[in-house]
Amino acid sequence: GIQVEQSPPDLILQEGANSTLRCNFSDSVNNLQWFHQNPWGQLINLFYIPSGTKQNGRLSATTVATERYSLLYISSSQTTDSGVYFCAVQKLVFGQGTRLTINP
Amino acid sequence: KAGVTQTPRYLIKTRGQQVTLSCSPISGHRSVSWYQQTPGQGLQFLFEYFSETQRNKGNFPGRFSGRQFSNSRSEMNVSTLELGDSALYLCASSFAGGMYNEQFFGPGTRLTVL
Repeated sequence: GIQVEQSPPDLILQEGANSTLRCNFSDSVNNLQWFHQNPWGQLINLFYIPSGTKQNGRLSATTVATERYSLLYISSSQTTDSGVYFCAVQKLVFGQGTRLTINP
Repeated sequence: KAGVTQTPRYLIKTRGQQVTLSCSPISGHRSVSWYQQTPGQGLQFLFEYFSETQRNKGNFPGRFSGRQFSNSRSEMNVSTLELGDSALYLCASSFAGGMYNEQFFGPGTRLTVL
């Protein structure tokens, strides 16, 4: 089946920094979503982005389907951005996540 | 519009018992999928229901089963619980059952098996 790899596994930054999270997938996809899992376990939808670029406030995402990767950008990080970010494709197959810690 | 709801939020059971979890999708959504999240295995797909029929199934033993009702609400059942079934169980709904629809998740049910 399709494999999803996320990098880096852990990322520690100071408040105000920018970050880039990467998601590689092993086969062509028709569905790709980015989620933020809050401390209580709920998955919050960030982007539905099988291809192209989208922006929502300080967050943006780009999926290059032909090269089988997607990037999530977080600018001017805030402590509330801390948590685990997941990329998932197709029905959904999840990556292992990137744990982001933003220190004040 | 109300989001996906799951009940109960927390559950403690002992080995050998069975458990039923419930999920109510977003109004108008007809597809419900279930996922298991554990520290060791991450997030794994259990199964998907659409129009009261199971459409897809992940690689889980037959102890894990589900159903969907005519109002699109879904239940998941785990029989003969094992310690390894301790996990966060997440339900997601989408508008249709196709491969390409955005899924929205509920808050999850945290199951502890003692």
